[in-house]
Amino acid sequence: AQTVTQSQPEMSVQEAETVTLSCTYDTSENNYYLFWYKQPPSRQMILVIRQEAYKQQNATENRFSVNFQKAAKSFSLKISDSQLGDTAMYFCAFASQGGSEKLVFGKGMKLTVNP
Amino acid sequence: DVKVTQSSRYLVKRTGEKVFLECVQDMDHENMFWYRQDPGLGLRLIYFSYDVKMKEKGDIPEGYSVSREKKERFSLILESASTNQTSMYLCASSAPRGYQPQHFGDGTRLSIL
Repeated sequence: AQTVTQSQPEMSVQEAETVTLSCTYDTSENNYYLFWYKQPPSRQMILVIRQEAYKQQNATENRFSVNFQKAAKSFSLKISDSQLGDTAMYFCAFASQGGSEKLVFGKGMKLTVNP
Repeated sequence: DVKVTQSSRYLVKRTGEKVFLECVQDMDHENMFWYRQDPGLGLRLIYFSYDVKMKEKGDIPEGYSVSREKKERFSLILESASTNQTSMYLCASSAPRGYQPQHFGDGTRLSIL
């Protein structure tokens, strides 16, 4: 069974700084998908970014980028120019390529961006 | 935009009651999911459905059942509510294929007294 580990339960950063959230996973599969989701306080969970394991190029979405290290089974999220609106719980998630479309989530990390 | 609507934002029920949590999505998604979210435990999958009348157990199905009579609606049922089922419940939907993101509702914060 796949597992996803987010080892840092909480982080804080100053506005405009860069922060990196770590995520490691365990799987015996070769093709799969990885996601970062964001859950702002009292608001809906939304997708931040996703990566397909067969793609070597790291995904980027505006201020958000990932560092995908397949051999190390590492999938970190970098947030550049942090904004107050980035304050949220962040969840790393794994999905298999074949079979059901279930997501396996990490336990989450609370990020606080301070003014 | 995809809209996933959960019937209640907050709900208070008593021990032993039968509780229904409703979820409706408007994007004709095949897949629908029910999660439970607890601090320090992340999201845990209770049940999911990949088609009408189809369901599969997730990681923590005990004490719960589900119903999917129509494609857009997925109901979570607590057969006999207990205090350890006090939690935040999230519904999600997605199109087929693993790379498709899941779209979440706002969540239902359920308290069992």
